[in-house]
Amino acid sequence: AQSVSQHNHHVILSEAASLELGCNYSYGGTVNLFWYVQYPGQHLQLLLKYFSGDPLVKGIKGFEAEFIKSKFSFNLRKPSVQWSDTAEYFCAVNAGYSSASKIIFGSGTRLSIRP
Amino acid sequence: DAGVIQSPRHEVTEMGQEVTLRCKPISGHNSLFWYRQTMMRGLELLIYFNNNVPIDDSGMPEDRFSAKMPNASFSTLKIQPSEPRDSAVYFCASNGLAETNTGELFFGEGSRLTVL
Repeated sequence: AQSVSQHNHHVILSEAASLELGCNYSYGGTVNLFWYVQYPGQHLQLLLKYFSGDPLVKGIKGFEAEFIKSKFSFNLRKPSVQWSDTAEYFCAVNAGYSSASKIIFGSGTRLSIRP
Repeated sequence: DAGVIQSPRHEVTEMGQEVTLRCKPISGHNSLFWYRQTMMRGLELLIYFNNNVPIDDSGMPEDRFSAKMPNASFSTLKIQPSEPRDSAVYFCASNGLAETNTGELFFGEGSRLTVL
């Protein structure tokens, strides 16, 4: 069965620091990969997604993620974080191309930015 | 365009009472998902429907939980009887326009349930 692991449960950074959040998945076939963000008190919204092509994906608000197939990883990065990036970040995998495929989320990483 | 609409946004109830959460997916979407979010367990998939048919309900915690999707524009998640450990935020999400399925999920604002 597919699974998603986010090893960092809580990350605390100062403003302007660089960010990298880890995400590993277990599935041997073709996958679609996502990062979602949940700002305090709000619903999840899509940050970026990978389906195929260039393994370096750019999303909103300066975020990017790199798909490394050999490592089953899809880490999220941002060169310089802002206080407004304080949120919870979820990695998700959809094994297959059908909307009926089950989309599995990681346990989430809480990011706290010190002003 | 209206997003996924959930109601109620907040509900406080007493143990043993029946709780019904409602969701209206985005028009044209053919898959609907119910998730539960807690501090302890994170975001858990409870059940998902495709074309109004339940496809996988293996995440439903126990028989007290049931979900229905009587038509393409409405779904309910019912807990009967409710227990304090059911306190969580319940999210509904939808996806899958027939022509442009991307696998991306569109979430509602969530229903925060507190069972006393």
